[in-house]
Amino acid sequence: DVKVTQSSRYLVKRTGEKVFLECVQDMDHENMFWYRQDPGLGLRLIYFSYDVKMKEKGDIPEGYSVSREKKERFSLILESASTNQTSMYLCASSLSGENTGELFFGEGSRLTVL
Amino acid sequence: AQSVTQLDSQVPVFEEAPVELRCNYSSSVSVYLFWYVQYPNQGLQLLLKYLSGSTLVKGINGFEAEFNKSQTSFHLRKPSVHISDTAEYFCAVTKGYQKVTFGTGTKLQVIP
Repeated sequence: DVKVTQSSRYLVKRTGEKVFLECVQDMDHENMFWYRQDPGLGLRLIYFSYDVKMKEKGDIPEGYSVSREKKERFSLILESASTNQTSMYLCASSLSGENTGELFFGEGSRLTVL
Repeated sequence: AQSVTQLDSQVPVFEEAPVELRCNYSSSVSVYLFWYVQYPNQGLQLLLKYLSGSTLVKGINGFEAEFNKSQTSFHLRKPSVHISDTAEYFCAVTKGYQKVTFGTGTKLQVIP
């Protein structure tokens, strides 16, 4: 079975802390994505990566960075967490080409910044 | 730039009644279209997809969607809903090899 694993289901951090969210997929997918999900706003793309060491900004990259050193792992970094980054973070992966949009999602990481 | 509009944030419907969830997209080039479902406290899973060919696509759990290029729409339908269909539904678009953009979601509430 296809699997996308996010390292933490729930995190509570303080303002100004550095936060790492890890995501691992076991499907040899080229593409990996980070979204945040907020009520009424749907899923908004933060960053995506179509290959190792490659990254592209999504619609809301400000305050975030990413790292993809290995094909199976895509990390989201909040350099200095702020309260407006309290959200559900979803990682996803997909094959390339016409299959790009067929995303496999992890369970999500709910981050609370106090 | 591509975008997706789901005009209905909530759709209440009685059990066994038909339902249509609306999705419109904007893009200057050909796109691939998807519907995802998110059950309470769960992740998203793919319902169906349109890549090419027949404009009527069938998905899981009795759902289907019709791609209409002239109206840039990809509405989701089910002829008879069940309580278990209560969930949030997301429409998504991509041109392939690029980002995947989601709509704001539609909450389907099935009333017994």
